[in-house]
Amino acid sequence: DSGVTQTPKHLITATGQRVTLRCSPRSGDLSVYWYQQSLDQGLQFLIQYYNGEERAKGNILERFSAQQFPDLHSELNLSSLELGDSALYFCASSVRDRGGVTDTQYFGPGTRLTVL
Amino acid sequence: EDQVTQSPEALRLQEGESSSLNCSYTVSGLRGLFWYRQDPGKGPEFLFTLYSAGEEKEKERLKATLTKKESFLHITAPKPEDSATYLCAVQPTNFGNEKLTFGTGTRLTIIP
Repeated sequence: DSGVTQTPKHLITATGQRVTLRCSPRSGDLSVYWYQQSLDQGLQFLIQYYNGEERAKGNILERFSAQQFPDLHSELNLSSLELGDSALYFCASSVRDRGGVTDTQYFGPGTRLTVL
Repeated sequence: EDQVTQSPEALRLQEGESSSLNCSYTVSGLRGLFWYRQDPGKGPEFLFTLYSAGEEKEKERLKATLTKKESFLHITAPKPEDSATYLCAVQPTNFGNEKLTFGTGTRLTIIP
């Protein structure tokens, strides 16, 4: 158990709908990352928040948005859903190692989104 | 753009048969190279971080090594419970950008 929690575990919805995925980081971690994993593309970085502020953006579609709240939990909002949005969505949070060189990211169990 | 290529895509080994997984990378500046293990339908589980060429890290039957262009994950005398997909990822040195760029993984199957 990484300490990162994600809800819901599974989500089934229809094209054109909007969903919200939720992530609670490990205690004390200020950074939250969102990744998408589909069968043909592997793990792709979407967006990073640090202490409530957007810090880095990957190939995140305009239909997708995220935010991080004062209690550090984060939500990923996906709207106007398409069949191709079906994937596993992972949240990760990071802790800086003792040397301060890099952040090890610990991943949650993921949310499996199926768009019908 | 950062790139990570892992080989082979899939590997089947008999229990006890040692082997190595490869991760080749290109990145403008390497802050860290990460290895994760992922079981089907689960989140990636952190294994190792390597920072500079020549570094090695070990955990049970796994040893990770790093050169300037690639990393190897050596698995010694594997057991069926080592079956999983092993993912390699790089993190660049750019300040304010901690994103990980992942390879597509090596799916390892250990046959009893």
